[in-house]
Amino acid sequence: DTEVTQTPKHLVMGMTNKKSLKCEQHMGHRAMYWYKQKAKKPPELMFVYSYEKLSINESVPSRFSPECPNSSLLNLHLHALQPEDSALYLCASSQAPGRKSTDTQYFGPGTRLTVL
Amino acid sequence: KQEVTQIPAALSVPEGENLVLNCSFTDSAIYNLQWFRQDPGKGLTSLLLIQSSQREQTSGRLNASLDKSSGRSTLYIAASQPGDSATYLCAAPPGGGTSYGKLTFGQGTILTVHP
Repeated sequence: DTEVTQTPKHLVMGMTNKKSLKCEQHMGHRAMYWYKQKAKKPPELMFVYSYEKLSINESVPSRFSPECPNSSLLNLHLHALQPEDSALYLCASSQAPGRKSTDTQYFGPGTRLTVL
Repeated sequence: KQEVTQIPAALSVPEGENLVLNCSFTDSAIYNLQWFRQDPGKGLTSLLLIQSSQREQTSGRLNASLDKSSGRSTLYIAASQPGDSATYLCAAPPGGGTSYGKLTFGQGTILTVHP
């Protein structure tokens, strides 16, 4: 099973709302990732968690707050977002945190976020 | 900083054609390169991963090659079908050392295969 699940599939929120995106994998992977993808653009890395610790933050604004409660679960907490934050948010996981040449990232279906 | 470029940006072919998608990267000291497929509004599906010690990798009608010395990878699709229509993305890690899974994606090639 190489499935990464994400909820919700779609989310509409106002600029004053607080919401969370959820990502889950049960493949025993120890690395998890958040990407942001704008329309007709490639995914851009936001955060990497390695063994439940934040290892990479690509200078993401603090209105995005990641959390990794355990090795299977990854959350992205959203607060005071801007309309330009509207995008597809993708979660991925991989077996080892990038050290192995065979380490493949598996992606979830994404959450389509619209900020009004 | 790794930079990845894909050519062509879009490709439209009749069913049955063999085709080649190109990917180039600036930092050649990579330990692998990945090819993904993305259908509209969906997540990414991993197609092939080529390790730096390999020159090519095959999966069904797909064959990917890697030439680190020239900073290039190609994805060959044999006997294309309408179901192959999607955006194809290549992704490379930073060169050398430990990257903690950081990937840089190309802009993608939008493939349309018409019956």
